[in-house]
Amino acid sequence: EVQLLESGGGLVQPGGSLKLSCAASGFTFSSYVMSWVRQAPGRGLEWVSTIGGSGAGTYYTDSVKGRFTISRDNSKNTLYLQMNSLRAEDTAVYYCARSENHLLWGQGTLVTVSS
Amino acid sequence: DIQMTQSPSSLSASVGDRVTITCRASQGISNYLVWFQQKPGKAPRSLIYAASTLQSGVPSKFSGSGSGTDFTLTISSLQPEDFATYYCQQYKSYPLTFGGGSKVEIK
Repeated sequence: EVQLLESGGGLVQPGGSLKLSCAASGFTFSSYVMSWVRQAPGRGLEWVSTIGGSGAGTYYTDSVKGRFTISRDNSKNTLYLQMNSLRAEDTAVYYCARSENHLLWGQGTLVTVSS
Repeated sequence: DIQMTQSPSSLSASVGDRVTITCRASQGISNYLVWFQQKPGKAPRSLIYAASTLQSGVPSKFSGSGSGTDFTLTISSLQPEDFATYYCQQYKSYPLTFGGGSKVEIK
């Protein structure tokens, strides 16, 4: 079955760090661009970051540049998002999604930034 | 950045109604547009990509059209399971951007 499964969310204090993972299965992971998209409570969808299939080529929304790092391990079929210097406004459900057109989504993992 | 503007932001409709949602891009995006459906507490589900191509497994009551800057999503006959929020997204260039959403509610 083709699927994406996120993990690593939780409660973290402002200024703290968290690393999200997204395990892919059922398709050739290394052949696909992968993205992170987030959704703050009661709000719309916001693209966060995208990485090329080989790991070369990374893109970020302005609000996370310099704080978040996207990476992947194709040997483990896993996508990552390292989040540092977290702020209250980063509180959201974080989804991983396949390709720039996001045709396949995981179930999401909740990140709460609060003291 | 390319801004995506959806309208209406919400609408009330009855079962069996034909519903149309529009999405306008601030600059031309060719057909690099995708439509999603999202139900409360669930991940988005892709419906249409490349502006008019139906995603595998999506019923044919959903259709998309448009190119350049103006796009539409049409639900031909609204069913109870179609009450949800719908989003458009452009993937022509970075940053990737979403519309603000259109919530379809029961009249």
